[in-house]
This record gives sequence, C-alpha cells and structure tokens, in this order.
Amino acid sequence: AQTVTQSQPEMSVQEAETVTLSCTYDTSENNYYLFWYKQPPSRQMILVIRQEAYKQQNATENRFSVNFQKAAKSFSLKISDSQLGDTAMYFCASFTGANSKLTFGKGITLSVRP
Amino acid sequence: EAGVAQSPRYKIIEKRQSVAFWCNPISGHATLYWYQQILGQGPKLLIQFQNNGVVDDSQLPKDRFSAERLKGVDSTLKIQPAKLEDSAVYLCASSAKEIYNSPLHFGNGTRLTVT
Repeated sequence: AQTVTQSQPEMSVQEAETVTLSCTYDTSENNYYLFWYKQPPSRQMILVIRQEAYKQQNATENRFSVNFQKAAKSFSLKISDSQLGDTAMYFCASFTGANSKLTFGKGITLSVRP
Repeated sequence: EAGVAQSPRYKIIEKRQSVAFWCNPISGHATLYWYQQILGQGPKLLIQFQNNGVVDDSQLPKDRFSAERLKGVDSTLKIQPAKLEDSAVYLCASSAKEIYNSPLHFGNGTRLTVT
C-alpha cells in the first residue's frame, strides 16, 4: 500500500523569501510518480509540479522546485521568492501504476506574510 | 477550455436525509473521479470511472453512497441516508489519460454539512 506523510501541519514565510515543505512516502513499486498540489481557499486543487521516480533530475517549474531523494523516500517542495498568492494548502501525492490510485498526504497550510 | 463544473457549491442537510452532487468534466476527458476531503485531511478517492464504467470503487461506502456516469459524460454522487461523518468537501476531477500522463483537473467541490 502507498502512504504519504506530511508531518508539518502549517508553515509561515515572509514574502519574497524561500520556504521548503516536507513530504515522505512509502511504496513497494519501482515505477511511480510524485506530485505537489496547491489548494487555495477556492478549494480547486491545482497541480504545482510532478516528478517521475525514474528520473534522477529534480523537477522545476518557475519558482517551484523539488528535492527528490529516492533512497530516503523524501519529496520536498521548495518555493522561491514567495508571493502572497502562494498562500494555500499544499498536498503531496503519489501514484503508482499498480493500483492506479492517487494517494494524498494530509496537507500543509502555508501562509505568506506581507 | 472550460474547467470541471460542480454543483451545488454548498449543501446543508440533516442526518438521515439524502443529497446528490453533480459533476460535468472537461469535454473529452474519459476518466472521472470523486474524492471526499474531510477537514484537515487530504482527498480520498471514492470512485473512479473510465467512460461510463467503474474502475475503482473500493473505498465507496456502498451501503449509503452511490454514483453513476451516464453516457460517459456527467456524473452524480448520491448519499442516502447521510450521517454526521459525511460532512466534507466532495471533489470531482477528470483526466484525459492516466494520471502520470495527464494531470488531474479538479472542480471547486461541494461542501456538505450534515447536522
């Protein structure tokens, strides 16, 4: 079974600074995918970034990048130059082809202070 | 491209009543998902459709929850009778292909409060 753990319930960061959100996962599969989703107060989940497990290079999307440590089963999200619009809940998620199911962590509430 | 549409946005009912939620996925998306998101938790998959067939409903409480996807397009999720623990946000999502090939597109969800 897949599990995704986000142990930090909330974090706060000053605008323009950098923040890192932690995530660990567990799976017995070799081929899997990892995602970070953002959920603003509007409740709509938005894909932030994805990482294929077979790729060693860390994924990057503009101000968002990941630190993927496969051996440690760690998948953290770094947000650079934080903006007020980054205030939201962030969910880490994993997907394997074995059960074709996207499993989410509990999420972390990020607040960006002006 | 129009997004995933859900209605209603909010619903308040008393326990033992019934309720239905509606979802219209993005045009052409074959796969449709219903997730339940309880406050303080991540979304949990209730049911997954591929066109109008059920792919996975292993976490759907079938004694009270039902879902259908007529003609492989719109979908409805029903709860009958509702319990207090059903209070949650119900999210609908769709994708064109497998999740690893095509991202999920989520609707804005329906917030259900059972009193």
